[in-house]
Amino acid sequence: DAKTTQPPSMDCAEGRAANLPCNHSTISGNEYVYWYRQIHSQGPQYIIHGLKNNETNEMASLIITEDRKSSTLILPHATLRDTAVYYCIVRVARETSGSRLTFGEGTQLTVNP
Amino acid sequence: DAGVTQSPTHLIKTRGQQVTLRCSPISGHKSVSWYQQVLGQGPQFIFQYYEKEERGRGNFPDRFSARQFPNYSSELNVNALLLGDSALYLCASSLWDRDHEQFFGPGTRLTVL
Repeated sequence: DAKTTQPPSMDCAEGRAANLPCNHSTISGNEYVYWYRQIHSQGPQYIIHGLKNNETNEMASLIITEDRKSSTLILPHATLRDTAVYYCIVRVARETSGSRLTFGEGTQLTVNP
Repeated sequence: DAGVTQSPTHLIKTRGQQVTLRCSPISGHKSVSWYQQVLGQGPQFIFQYYEKEERGRGNFPDRFSARQFPNYSSELNVNALLLGDSALYLCASSLWDRDHEQFFGPGTRLTVL
């Protein structure tokens, strides 16, 4: 699975958009980008995933660059409850490698009042 | 619906002992994965089971073993505990054909003294 690079920490003001970057310059054509987050003392939580098109759900938007070498997770209106470690994960489809997720160290997002 | 449940919540063992951790997946989920999360790091994949068969194994020693039961619950066993086995052990379940969204339990905090 491709390696990802994320900033170790970011701050965001409550109510503002939080934009979390992820670099995955060695991503292969069949690898998806996944985002999970882990609020303190809880298990990780799935947020969103995508292959090459931008994706949006009720939690966030995922913007993947045209060359797929980087992506940005956008939380449109961050709240204090969005304070968490955000993990960007790149992996191939289940059929070849099972369902394992390879977590890096993630980005600690702190939303300030 | 109940989420993924894990027991016990906390556990204290001494070096050399053996431990069994338990996980009950979300109803209808047949895939269960185990992860180890050392303080300050992202979760590391240990095992995946689907339909009672091992489908994936991470880079962990043979002291770690697991199994899945007919009701799809799972146990993780760790023998000959070392201080370095102190960690949060997370269980995740998913549907086999929707494994992009894995649901994590709250984890079992294991402390080895």
